[in-house]
Amino acid sequence: QVQLQQSGPGLVKPSQTLSLTCAISGDSVSSNSAVWNWIRQSPSRGLEWLGRTYYRSKWYIDYAASVESRITITPDTSKNQLSLHLNSVTPDDTAVYYCARNWGTVNWYFDLWGRGTLVTVSS
Amino acid sequence: ETVMTQSTATLSVSPGERATLSCRASQTVYTNLAWYQQKPGQAPRLLIYGAFTRATGIPARFSGSGSGTEFSLTISSLQSEDFAVYYCQQYNNWPPGFGGGTKVEIK
Repeated sequence: QVQLQQSGPGLVKPSQTLSLTCAISGDSVSSNSAVWNWIRQSPSRGLEWLGRTYYRSKWYIDYAASVESRITITPDTSKNQLSLHLNSVTPDDTAVYYCARNWGTVNWYFDLWGRGTLVTVSS
Repeated sequence: ETVMTQSTATLSVSPGERATLSCRASQTVYTNLAWYQQKPGQAPRLLIYGAFTRATGIPARFSGSGSGTEFSLTISSLQSEDFAVYYCQQYNNWPPGFGGGTKVEIK
């Protein structure tokens, strides 16, 4: 059974960097079929896709335009996980952050989700 | 960017009744449309993809329809576990986008 185990701090100060990891069990971050995503949810923004990474003979990484200047998604094959770094955070980045899987680069719906991590940006 | 609109924020339905939720896309997404169910404190759960294909393990009382810009999710006979928030999501256009959700509550 595939599971996504998220970890990371629940409180980040304004202007600092939000860092989360998503450990994958039962599948591989370097799968030739799966795509690994970060999505967040807040009352003000709703569900918002942030970015994705996938391996098809080489690594591909795509970001949403809304966060492109501040976000980094990194796959880690040694730990079979992916990470999210979002810098220069503001209170508007307060949200529940999810990692999620989809199959292929066309079927961009999410069949597996992590449990979510509530991240609050506050001093 | 394709904007997804779920015009009904809250739908009050009695158990055993039929519920129909709607979703509109600002431009065509063909049938590249998914529906999710979310309960408090949980991640969204995939119900429908391809506008009408049920995901693995989803009961037959859930059905999806529509194409282009107008879509519906129907729950034929609401069970107690179906009271939740439902989201549509398009994946035809970049970036993938979600509707604002419809909460199905007990009448």
